[in-house]
Amino acid sequence: DTEVTQTPKHLVMGMTNKKSLKCEQHMGHRAMYWYKQKAKKPPELMFVYSYEKLSINESVPSRFSPECPNSSLLNLHLHALQPEDSALYLCASSQVPSPPTNEKLFFGSGTQLSVL
Amino acid sequence: QQQVKQSPQSLIVQKGGISIINCAYENTAFDYFPWYQQFPGKGPALLIAIRPDVSEKKEGRFTISFNKSAKQFSLHIMDSQPGDSATYFCAASMEYGNKLVFGAGTILRVKS
Repeated sequence: DTEVTQTPKHLVMGMTNKKSLKCEQHMGHRAMYWYKQKAKKPPELMFVYSYEKLSINESVPSRFSPECPNSSLLNLHLHALQPEDSALYLCASSQVPSPPTNEKLFFGSGTQLSVL
Repeated sequence: QQQVKQSPQSLIVQKGGISIINCAYENTAFDYFPWYQQFPGKGPALLIAIRPDVSEKKEGRFTISFNKSAKQFSLHIMDSQPGDSATYFCAASMEYGNKLVFGAGTILRVKS
């Protein structure tokens, strides 16, 4: 199984809503990532978890709250988002970096989020 | 110094032709250079990657050419097919970092 599964595929939420994005992988990868991608732009790194611990937070606003309950699951909790947060949210996984590093990233298909 | 500059922004190629996408970087600490392919509605998928100890890597119709002195690398797609129509991102990273720095992307359209 070489898949990263993301749910839901599409999400529409109001600015006062609370919602969560979910990501799952069963490849035994111990690094998991959240990326944000605007239309016609490259993915932008948001968070990295290594061995279920947050290792990188790219100065993401606190209205985005990541959680890694176990080695297979990654969540992104959303609260009080703004319309400019509308984007494709991608989850990815990889082996934990060790030389040679940055082994292949496996991306999910993403959640297309619209904030009204 | 952390940027990767990618060109062209978009590219139209006839079926059977060669597609060429170029990237340039400044940070000499980068030592891993992957290319990702992304279809509409999907996440990026790793296509091919190279490290600076080789000047060329080929996998099927896809070839990376790497010029360390010029700090440039390029993707060549031979015998381009309509199914290759997608957005292509070059990227770079350092040995001990989790962070990939992506280029701006190239939208490739192969006309049949």
